Amino acid sequence: DAGVIQSPRHEVTEMGQEVTLRCKPISGHNSLFWYRQTMMRGLELLIYFNNNVPIDDSGMPEDRFSAKMPNASFSTLKIQPSEPRDSAVYFCASSFNRRNSPLHFGNGTRLTVT
Amino acid sequence: AQSVTQLDSHVSVSEGTPVLLRCNYSSSYSPSLFWYVQHPNKGLQLLLKYTSAATLVKGINGFEAEFKKSETSFHLTKPSAHMSDAAEYFCVVSDDTGKLIFGQGTTLQVKP
Repeated sequence: DAGVIQSPRHEVTEMGQEVTLRCKPISGHNSLFWYRQTMMRGLELLIYFNNNVPIDDSGMPEDRFSAKMPNASFSTLKIQPSEPRDSAVYFCASSFNRRNSPLHFGNGTRLTVT
Repeated sequence: AQSVTQLDSHVSVSEGTPVLLRCNYSSSYSPSLFWYVQHPNKGLQLLLKYTSAATLVKGINGFEAEFKKSETSFHLTKPSAHMSDAAEYFCVVSDDTGKLIFGQGTTLQVKP
């Protein structure tokens, strides 16, 4: 299996622009998670889906952030408009929807907003 | 509520010497605990997990961790550090909904 695939690996954009991050989970996994990692706050869960349905989005910072999962093999995280404080590494992870099932992480997207 | 505390933000060892990364947890029930490793510019990778079976858990790359309920600890150890072990390590506890709660991480430096 190719693992969790995220694109792009790096994204540099200007403040105010829309940013879309993409994720392809491992085939067969039915839970998908979006995390953000910064030096200041560490790893933060933004949102997670079970069977393509958003279950908990309490970690989404504000309305500028939105996430979708139109099917079992694709998810997007969108920031509109982007701000410099959104600069971080964004990780997507997937797992089976079973208690204690480990997460499999992608290699992340490093976002820089200038 | 569940929580996890990694007691050291940075640990430095010499190659070939033992590694100890400390983790304490707080949980209102029998927890599930994990250790993940993150190498530079990579995602997190599962090292090992504890789910109420054997208290001594063996993971990949020679790492192991011991669940000690009396001490609410789940420290990660390795008998002999290798240069490739240099990375960030995260202790993780699962809450009662199955959501993972990550510690702040410990950076392991391995000196030649």
